[in-house]
Amino acid sequence: EAGVAQSPRYKIIEKRQSVAFWCNPISGHATLYWYQQILGQGPKLLIQFQNNGVVDDSQLPKDRFSAERLKGVDSTLKIQPAKLEDSAVYLCASSLERGLLNEQFFGPGTRLTVL
Amino acid sequence: GENVEQHPSTLSVQEGDSAVIKCTYSDSASNYFPWYKQELGKRPQLIIDIRSNVGEKKDQRIAVTLNKTAKHFSLHITETQPEDSAVYFCAASVGGATNKLIFGTGTLLAVQP
Repeated sequence: EAGVAQSPRYKIIEKRQSVAFWCNPISGHATLYWYQQILGQGPKLLIQFQNNGVVDDSQLPKDRFSAERLKGVDSTLKIQPAKLEDSAVYLCASSLERGLLNEQFFGPGTRLTVL
Repeated sequence: GENVEQHPSTLSVQEGDSAVIKCTYSDSASNYFPWYKQELGKRPQLIIDIRSNVGEKKDQRIAVTLNKTAKHFSLHITETQPEDSAVYFCAASVGGATNKLIFGTGTLLAVQP
């Protein structure tokens, strides 16, 4: 089966600019996650969707980050405006269904550099 | 808040030796504990997981043990090979059965040939 797809793979922007990331989960996976992985750290959950509804966004900096999953499939994560500390790899993951403690499958990530 | 601590941060072993990575978690409701392997520049991939109703699980050279009372779980790799070199992350579920994971800070394992 095809894995989780993400684009772009790399992005370099200047601070205060905007950026958007795209994720296509594994077909049939109802739950989608966006993680931020800063160099040398473990992934940190930003937001979790169940179909097109938000399950958890407690660690999403809502003053600058936004995410949507309008049709319950693809998702976009946006940062506006970006700060230097946003430099990280943004990982998208998906799993079959919330509540069943299923394996989360990760995409290749988008490496963001903010100058 | 919920927290997962992971030790050591780096581990160097000789090929053929065993490696052990340990994690502790804070949420007593945690009931799912996956381990991910992340090679340089690659995506994290699940290598083994354990649920709270089991104390130990083994898959070939990899095993995971869970001590719910102490809130500890460990990854054991036997007969290490150079291709085992990577960063390993433990994680624990939080908030009951929501599948939300808190990850540890990672262990860089280097297997010397």
